[in-house]
Amino acid sequence: QSVLTQPPSASGTPGQRVTMSCSGSRSNIGRQTVNWYQQLPGTAPKLLIYSNNERPSGVPDRFSGSKSGTSASLAISGLQPEDEADYYCAAWDDNLNGWVFGGGTKLTVL
Amino acid sequence: EVQLAESGGGLVQPGGSLRLSCAASGFTLSTYWMSWVRQAPGKGLEWVANINQDGSDKYYVNSVKGRFTISRDNAKNSLYLQMNSLRAEDTAVYYCARDFIGPEYWGQGTLVTVSS
Repeated sequence: QSVLTQPPSASGTPGQRVTMSCSGSRSNIGRQTVNWYQQLPGTAPKLLIYSNNERPSGVPDRFSGSKSGTSASLAISGLQPEDEADYYCAAWDDNLNGWVFGGGTKLTVL
Repeated sequence: EVQLAESGGGLVQPGGSLRLSCAASGFTLSTYWMSWVRQAPGKGLEWVANINQDGSDKYYVNSVKGRFTISRDNAKNSLYLQMNSLRAEDTAVYYCARDFIGPEYWGQGTLVTVSS
C-alpha cells in the first residue's frame, strides 16, 4: 500500500482535459513539494512536473501541476494518444526520511 | 546529454547478494544527490535509497535498512547498491536516478530476480 494515494485509472478522449489526484499527509505533501512522473509502456519514468508546478525543459505546457494542503493534482489538456501512460506522484516524507510515491494512475486515451 | 546506465542485475537465490552499478555521464556526478528506485513486475515505483554528493549522508526505505548499502565513487562517475540477504520481494527493475528536488533523470534499469 502506497503512502500517497492515486486513483488506479483515468481516461479521456483526444483533445479533452483530464486531471488526476494525489493525496498525502502533513508529513509529505503538506510540508514538501510534489513531483509527477510519466512512464510510457516498457520505458523508464520521466520527470514531468517538479516543485508542484514547474515543468522541466522539453515538457509541453499541456501538462500542469498544482498543490493544495495535503493533495496535489496533475492536469493534461489537449489530450493526445501518446499521453497514454502511467503517472506517478512523489514527495519527500519528513517522518519516513525518504521519498514516497503514489501507486500510479493508468491513463487511457479512448 | 545526461546518461545513466545500470548493470549488475541477474538471478540470485534467496539470501544471496548482488551489487548493482550505475555509470554516469554527461554531468558532474559529484555535484548531485543520487537515488535508487525500484519497480516490481507489474507494480508501481518504490524509492530505495539516496546518497549525498560526498557520500556522507544516506537514507533508506525501511524494508531494506540493514541489508542494502548505497555508495558512490565520484572519481569513477559511478553509483552502487550492495544488496545482501535478498528476498523474493526484492525482485524488481532497479533504476538509478540523478536527484534534483527528487529523482530527475533515470537510467533504463537493471532487472534483479530473487528466486530459487
